[in-house]
Amino acid sequence: KNEVEQSPQNLTAQEGEFITINCSYSVGISALHWLQQHPGGGIVSLFMLSSGKKKHGRLIATINIQEKHSSLHITASHPRDSAVYICAVLQNTGNQFYFGTGTSLTVIP
Amino acid sequence: GAGVSQSPRYKVAKRGQDVALRCDPISGHVSLFWYQQALGQGPEFLTYFQNEAQLDKSGLPSDRFFAERPEGSVSTLKIQRTQQEDSAVYLCASSLWTGVGYTFGSGTRLTVV
Repeated sequence: KNEVEQSPQNLTAQEGEFITINCSYSVGISALHWLQQHPGGGIVSLFMLSSGKKKHGRLIATINIQEKHSSLHITASHPRDSAVYICAVLQNTGNQFYFGTGTSLTVIP
Repeated sequence: GAGVSQSPRYKVAKRGQDVALRCDPISGHVSLFWYQQALGQGPEFLTYFQNEAQLDKSGLPSDRFFAERPEGSVSTLKIQRTQQEDSAVYLCASSLWTGVGYTFGSGTRLTVV
């Protein structure tokens, strides 16, 4: 049983396209993270959300606590956005993170 | 340092060899996590420290895996008698307090041959 489900698993987009990656979770959470992992590189935390919406540059993250769903949007996508995007939730009853399996994004020039 | 530092970055071990993976968290960070990420998968929780106390080790896959953080800063993940299925990237993350933003290290890629 996966506590965190992401979709799509793989995504190819043309440069400039608007991209949405979805995350659904089944546990009660105190926070949700969107992470970015480049090939061979470490993980960078993009956003930490507990409610509402956050924006940073071309990236927007939203969360709906009642529906247990979050989305990561990338506007005006660029080839340097190509990476694996991972949704991770911190369960509110403990200290454990649950991770989605990631969405592999490729942006073609 | 400015970030979470892990060493070595890459490790090739012969089956049966013992390995030790090091994590240097951000100075002053209380919480420290270890994760295992197999190829093509998301990270899987291994263990969690708050200062020097190991509060959760439920994710350690077998008794060959051992983690410590004796002084509440640097942590070491030790794998004894490595097996091929131990091949993965081992990630470390730290945060000032539980629930506050986490910083991840670049990981150690372990290959057991």
